[in-house]
Amino acid sequence: QQQVKQSPQSLIVQKGGISIINCAYENTAFDYFPWYQQFPGKGPALLIAIRPDVSEKKEGRFTISFNKSAKQFSLHIMDSQPGDSATYFCAASSVGSNTGKLIFGQGTTLQVKP
Amino acid sequence: KAGVTQTPRYLIKTRGQQVTLSCSPISGHRSVSWYQQTPGQGLQFLFEYFSETQRNKGNFPGRFSGRQFSNSRSEMNVSTLELGDSALYLCASKLSTGVETQYFGPGTRLLVL
Repeated sequence: QQQVKQSPQSLIVQKGGISIINCAYENTAFDYFPWYQQFPGKGPALLIAIRPDVSEKKEGRFTISFNKSAKQFSLHIMDSQPGDSATYFCAASSVGSNTGKLIFGQGTTLQVKP
Repeated sequence: KAGVTQTPRYLIKTRGQQVTLSCSPISGHRSVSWYQQTPGQGLQFLFEYFSETQRNKGNFPGRFSGRQFSNSRSEMNVSTLELGDSALYLCASKLSTGVETQYFGPGTRLLVL
């Protein structure tokens, strides 16, 4: 029940295309869903996050779509650029229970071809 | 503001040894969490500290331990190292409990031979 399942494992997109990464969770106590971006040799960096009272959140080219009833959320990267090539992790936590424990998906390696 | 810093960045140890990793959170952040990242298991939560108290612990053996000091700096220790402990160990800090955003450091790459 603590798992977060992420797909696909890897993704190749042409420059200018849309990258879509999906995540699903089981634990209904989760109330915070961040996406992290990680480049080789670096720690994960927060990209965008959403709470379950919102169905969509957009920041620049990055959009999270959230479906509470299906217990799924996804990251859309519009106009994908070669600089977006990185590993992306979805995560979930239960902030309401005052814990910082993040449960991460397995990660998606994105390659954007020029 | 300086980000989360971790030392050392790289470490090579042999089986059976012990290791201590250090994390300095962002100034003003009082909550520190540790994660282990491996290609096979991904990112897994180790423990969380706030005000020098362990608030949460992941599913790791007792060889993994940590502590937090009064200045919010944190250390984690792994005793009797095993080959499978080779990983990137990440520290993340946030302002307080109940606050959402965690900021990660660059990690310490541990190789156990």
